[in-house]
Amino acid sequence: RKEVEQDPGPFNVPEGATVAFNCTYSNSASQSFFWYRQDCRKEPKLLMSVYSSGNEDGRFTAQLNRASQYISLLIRDSKLSDSATYLCVVVTSGTYKYIFGTGTRLKVLA
Amino acid sequence: DTGVSQDPRHKITKRGQNVTFRCDPISEHNRLYWYRQTLGQGPEFLTYFQNEAQLEKSRLLSDRFSAERPKGSFSTLEIQRTEQGDSAMYLCASSSYTGTKERNTIYFGEGSWLTVV
Repeated sequence: RKEVEQDPGPFNVPEGATVAFNCTYSNSASQSFFWYRQDCRKEPKLLMSVYSSGNEDGRFTAQLNRASQYISLLIRDSKLSDSATYLCVVVTSGTYKYIFGTGTRLKVLA
Repeated sequence: DTGVSQDPRHKITKRGQNVTFRCDPISEHNRLYWYRQTLGQGPEFLTYFQNEAQLEKSRLLSDRFSAERPKGSFSTLEIQRTEQGDSAMYLCASSSYTGTKERNTIYFGEGSWLTVV
């Protein structure tokens, strides 16, 4: 089993739609969680951290469910510019090694 | 530009040749990471340093790969006797590890693309 698993997609959604991605992790001792965004042939960039209490940044909402070992990302009112790959990142406790999922591709259609 | 910088950005090499990539992290970041990414996959962990100490090396990394960070600042990743399967984007990232979560976001360089022909 992979340490971090994501549905690769692609998720094709119309502009204005709401879309949600989930990511599951296998190490229950993982302590930090992030979502990164990656555009085609570019480096990953931090989208947002995921806190235990959940957090929101504009149209983006991230949630953590430790009991079920998954994190989620919700994008409301999708824009064409949201088209990208969204990478789930889990940080292992102790070594603080960042483990990436394979990413979920999102295409927002006009 | 005070971000993570990598050099070269693109490298085409013949199979069997050695290649070296350099990474300059964000100033004063004590942790430096190397990842490899192929199309359709997420970044795959290779190794990381805290200051000059190499703390972990992936079991997936063959003996042909070696990384150094001699003075705790820039790092190099060398691939000896390259193979076509080494073709990928090699990403460097850095972070300021303080033991608290808020400082531990990692920031990536633009990557070094390797093509082995």
